[in-house]
Amino acid sequence: KAGVTQTPRYLIKTRGQQVTLSCSPISGHRSVSWYQQTPGQGLQFLFEYFSETQRNKGNFPGRFSGRQFSNSRSEMNVSTLELGDSALYLCASSTGGTGELFFGEGSRLTVL
Amino acid sequence: GIQVEQSPPDLILQEGANSTLRCNFSDSVNNLQWFHQNPWGQLINLFYIPSGTKQNGRLSATTVATERYSLLYISSSQTTDSGVYFCAVGDTDKLIFGTGTRLQVFP
Repeated sequence: KAGVTQTPRYLIKTRGQQVTLSCSPISGHRSVSWYQQTPGQGLQFLFEYFSETQRNKGNFPGRFSGRQFSNSRSEMNVSTLELGDSALYLCASSTGGTGELFFGEGSRLTVL
Repeated sequence: GIQVEQSPPDLILQEGANSTLRCNFSDSVNNLQWFHQNPWGQLINLFYIPSGTKQNGRLSATTVATERYSLLYISSSQTTDSGVYFCAVGDTDKLIFGTGTRLQVFP
């Protein structure tokens, strides 16, 4: 059974640009959540989607957005990038609710 | 919101030693997981343990939900155990992570 797949793995952007990250969950999982990891703030929850609906959102500005498609794949977008957006972005999938989460390898974003 | 504290923040061991990592949380939860973050950044599931005790090889974990803490035991540590260990607790469909314990195991 394939795990959670995130693309791209690494990317470099400049301030003001936007970026889209993709996440394919484990087959059969309907919940996808996103986390940001930085040295200063640690691992922080961004948002969670279940059956194409955002169920929960963390404390991030509106520049951070996401969506989920009917096949449960999810994308997150960050617009007007800032230097502080440099981070490892991790996606996790689960069957839903507060069950066990499984994480992908992450997308490492560097903003110059 | 729920607060999660992990201790110790850093741990240095010689190969073969045993260790105990602790996770305290401030409110009742219905989800608790332990992860090991590998050098490439991926979070590897160790245990899903909202309560009780589980064992997997040299690792075991115990969560006492009524007293709001969980322990991760590593026995006969190996250099491959090095990395950061995170405890995360479930709060309304999201996980709140602790700040982690950085473990270094030397041969």
